[in-house]
Amino acid sequence: SQQGEEDPQALSIQEGENATMNCSYKTSINNLQWYRQNSGRGLVHLILIRSNEREKHSGRLRVTLDTSKKSSSLLITASRAADTASYFCATASSSGTYKYIFGTGTRLKVLA
Amino acid sequence: DSGVTQTPKHLITATGQRVTLRCSPRSGDLSVYWYQQSLDQGLQFLIQYYNGEERAKGNILERFSAQQFPDLHSELNLSSLELGDSALYFCASSVEGLWDTQYFGPGTRLTVL
Repeated sequence: SQQGEEDPQALSIQEGENATMNCSYKTSINNLQWYRQNSGRGLVHLILIRSNEREKHSGRLRVTLDTSKKSSSLLITASRAADTASYFCATASSSGTYKYIFGTGTRLKVLA
Repeated sequence: DSGVTQTPKHLITATGQRVTLRCSPRSGDLSVYWYQQSLDQGLQFLIQYYNGEERAKGNILERFSAQQFPDLHSELNLSSLELGDSALYFCASSVEGLWDTQYFGPGTRLTVL
């Protein structure tokens, strides 16, 4: 499996509900970032959490990081139809070679 | 609008040809990154430049090359194109490039016929 795998691959919820997406990675990291991508468009940065941080908030977003389990989660509270997009986690690592690895993404659909 | 610009938006070409994609980073950003996004491979990191120097290399094919110029804009050259090179190519930029936030451009959609 690849570094940075999101789970679930697809998620469909009703407006107003919370959406939780998970990301797992394999190597040690310096930070982990979450991005949103609307269909066929550029990625928009949502939040960055450093390896020494455990939780971070930004508006309706909450990100947690568990480096012992090599996993992160993104929670979107009170979802809106406009949150419909694909969400990717990305890890920055200097383990071995310095590189950025994006996960496979979670496709979120919020139904009005 | 992220402040990162990419040209062209769309490119249609034939197998065996060579194309150049261009990226202008946000004002003040020193690092430029290139990514390829295809349906079967997902989003793949290709290469990063920092202030004109290559900083990191990902899954970039030997047929592909990039450079960053003194004014910090970057070009990605794709040669001997194959059908499988059809994809969205994104450029991103960041202030320093050590571990900071990347800002993505709108992408160039390349179609190889």
